[in-house]
Amino acid sequence: EVQLVESGGGLVQPGGSLRLSCAASGFTFSNYVLTWVRQAPGKGLDWVSAISGGGGTTFYADSVRGRFTVSRDNSKNTLYLQMNSLRAEDTAVYYCAKGPVAYFSSGDCYLDCWGQGTLVTVSS
Amino acid sequence: DIQMTQSPSTLSASVGDRVTITCRASQSISTWLAWYQQKPGKAPGLLIYKASRLQSGVPSRFSGSGSGTEFTLTISSLQPDDSATYYCQQDNSYRLTFGPGTKVDIK
Repeated sequence: EVQLVESGGGLVQPGGSLRLSCAASGFTFSNYVLTWVRQAPGKGLDWVSAISGGGGTTFYADSVRGRFTVSRDNSKNTLYLQMNSLRAEDTAVYYCAKGPVAYFSSGDCYLDCWGQGTLVTVSS
Repeated sequence: DIQMTQSPSTLSASVGDRVTITCRASQSISTWLAWYQQKPGKAPGLLIYKASRLQSGVPSRFSGSGSGTEFTLTISSLQPDDSATYYCQQDNSYRLTFGPGTKVDIK
């Protein structure tokens, strides 16, 4: 069974840092693009970042570029999101999600499996 | 970035009704569109990808159609378990964008 389990969320002060992890099982981890999507309380879905199967290609939303870093350890089947200079508007549930292929290609970037999410709250 | 809109924002329908949700893209995205279902407190789940392909395990009462800039998600016979928020998402670009969602309630 394909499974993604996020961890690392919590309460952090504005300007602080947090590292999220997403542990994967049930599939060949390095064969798939992984994506972070967030959802602010009561709001819609917001794409944050994505990384190719090999880890060599990464993309970021404008709102987080320069503050967040996505990475993966294919030997540990784990995805990470390092979040620095956090702001109140970063408060959200953060989901990791798996794509259907290892590379970025139009029509193959949909998200076929999602984790349960981890809540990040940025507040003083 | 490609902007996505959905209509209606909410709808209320009876069990057995045919329900249609519309999603529009700000530019042509071919058939690179997915639909997700999200229930309160849960992660989204994939329903449809490439505009019309049903994800494995999804009931056949769900269907998708469209191309270019206009797409629809149809539930042929609404069931109580279908009460949820539905999101469209374009994957024409790796910079994924989602529609604002359509909340479906059961009367």
